[in-house]
Amino acid sequence: DTEVTQTPKHLVMGMTNKKSLKCEQHMGHRAMYWYKQKAKKPPELMFVYSYEKLSINESVPSRFSPECPNSSLLNLHLHALQPEDSALYLCASSQSTRGLYGYTFGSGTRLTVV
Amino acid sequence: KNEVEQSPQNLTAQEGEFITINCSYSVGISALHWLQQHPGGGIVSLFMLSSGKKKHGRLIATINIQEKHSSLHITASHPRDSAVYICAVSSGGGADGLTFGKGTHLIIQP
Repeated sequence: DTEVTQTPKHLVMGMTNKKSLKCEQHMGHRAMYWYKQKAKKPPELMFVYSYEKLSINESVPSRFSPECPNSSLLNLHLHALQPEDSALYLCASSQSTRGLYGYTFGSGTRLTVV
Repeated sequence: KNEVEQSPQNLTAQEGEFITINCSYSVGISALHWLQQHPGGGIVSLFMLSSGKKKHGRLIATINIQEKHSSLHITASHPRDSAVYICAVSSGGGADGLTFGKGTHLIIQP
């Protein structure tokens, strides 16, 4: 298995809802990343997990809460989002956070906050 | 923090043309990545380079570490090559993920 699988592919949520995005990989990668991408912009790093520990939090608002329950799974819990949080949320993985390894990206979750 | 510049931002060409996309970065890196993204879609990794040249089918990527510059070439371009091509770099530590260029929006017309 050489893929990163993200679910759901599309999500519409209200500002008072709580939802979660899921990312899964079975390549044995020990680094996993969440990126946010607005239309016609490059991805922006949100969180980095290395060996299931949060190593980078790029000053992301607390309404986004990451979780890495095991080495194959990465979640992003969403609560009280704003319409400006609507974006494509991309998950990626790499063998480690050392910069010499390639990245595998998921196909993303298209999030719309209404 | 590394600055990654891509050119051109937009490129329209005819089917069969030879395409070149350029990328430059400001500080030393451990690797440079060329990525492809179709509209509304996820990102596909095309190449990871730390030196020299790599080829995969009609795609060729080169990097000059001394000049902090990389190019992506597409030979015999085809409409299915239409996509956004993104240059991204990882720094020595790598723990901060990738730094992305703004992307090149390529359209290949039949």
